[in-house]
Amino acid sequence: QVQLKESGPGLVQPSQTLSLTCTVSGFSLTSYSVHWVRQHSGKSLEWMGRMWSDGDTSYNSAFTSRLSISRDTSKSQVFLKMNSLQTEDTGTYYCARSPLDLDYFDYWGQGVMVTVSS
Amino acid sequence: DIQMTQSPASLSASLGETVTIECLASEDIYSNLAWYQQKPGKSPQLLIYYANSLNDGVPSRFSGSGSGTQYSLKINSLQSEDVSIYFCQQNYDSPTFGGGTKLELK
Repeated sequence: QVQLKESGPGLVQPSQTLSLTCTVSGFSLTSYSVHWVRQHSGKSLEWMGRMWSDGDTSYNSAFTSRLSISRDTSKSQVFLKMNSLQTEDTGTYYCARSPLDLDYFDYWGQGVMVTVSS
Repeated sequence: DIQMTQSPASLSASLGETVTIECLASEDIYSNLAWYQQKPGKSPQLLIYYANSLNDGVPSRFSGSGSGTQYSLKINSLQSEDVSIYFCQQNYDSPTFGGGTKLELK
């Protein structure tokens, strides 16, 4: 069945770089888009960016300068890398799939909680 | 960016009651609107897409409607398991979400 699972460090120091991995199963990254969405402490959701099925990427303009999304199709993994982290970046980071390269999310990972603190 | 304004922010209702949550887009999103349910400590789950299409496995007491800039999610015959936070999301442009509606039992 379709599954997505995020992994990465739970604690990052301010000004450092966050690296997260989304490992998927049950579908191919060459057929579906995978997105990153974050949530601050039970509050609303914020779309960060996407890896299209064709390997292209697009980003929320709020993150463009410090966010990078890449993938390894052989390992069924999508990566998020965001630099210059600040305390405001604390939250839960989700990867999510969208069907047919549309932009609603039919499957989500469990999320990974990231705290930015010294 | 398209702004999504969701109301109410919180809602208290009794078992068996019908509940409606509204979502207003800052511009026409041509029915490119999804609704999600998020239970405490869990990831969001897709309920509705294209404003009124029920996702597989979602109970039929959930329904969506609307067009243009105004959309709504209706829950008929409220059940205890419906206690959650509900989010709308537009996918006409770069995705943006509403602020959420916390639904509790009265």
